[in-house]
Amino acid sequence: AQSVSQHNHHVILSEAASLELGCNYSYGGTVNLFWYVQYPGQHLQLLLKYFSGDPLVKGIKGFEAEFIKSKFSFNLRKPSVQWSDTAEYFCAVRTGANNLFFGTGTRLTVIP
Amino acid sequence: DTEVTQTPKHLVMGMTNKKSLKCEQHMGHRAMYWYKQKAKKPPELMFVYSYEKLSINESVPSRFSPECPNSSLLNLHLHALQPEDSALYLCASSQDLTSGGGNTQYFGPGTRLTVL
Repeated sequence: AQSVSQHNHHVILSEAASLELGCNYSYGGTVNLFWYVQYPGQHLQLLLKYFSGDPLVKGIKGFEAEFIKSKFSFNLRKPSVQWSDTAEYFCAVRTGANNLFFGTGTRLTVIP
Repeated sequence: DTEVTQTPKHLVMGMTNKKSLKCEQHMGHRAMYWYKQKAKKPPELMFVYSYEKLSINESVPSRFSPECPNSSLLNLHLHALQPEDSALYLCASSQDLTSGGGNTQYFGPGTRLTVL
């Protein structure tokens, strides 16, 4: 069965620190990969997505993610976080069955 | 415009009530989804509609009944719910169900449901 793992449950950083959130999936076929963000009290918003081509994808608000097929990973990065990045981050994988599987989420707290 | 709207924002209902959640999008998307999200958990897929036809039902109890009256609207009819059904119900839409960029899902703000 497909699964998506986000090993960091809660990450606490100071402003200007660099961020990397891990995402690993288990599925051997073609996948589409997504990162969504859920700010406190707000709905899920798409940060970035990967379908094909350049494995390094850039999203909104300075986020980027790198797809490493050999490692089944799609880690999210940001060079310098801001207090406004405090949110819940979900990695999601879509397989050929048209189902979107979400990871358990990583809560990011940025301290001013 | 990538807006998906949901009404109501909050709903409190008793176990014998019948209520409906509504979702609307005007992006011309032909796939629409219902998800359930419990506190501090990821969204879990319930139903998928493609071109107004039910495409996926993830073994959801019959007390949840989806309906897609047209390509812009998606309803979720609720009847005889249990307290454990209390959750945030999210609607999403995508261009279609094909692979590639067309299946990027855009989410609404959700309806927070409390079952007493």
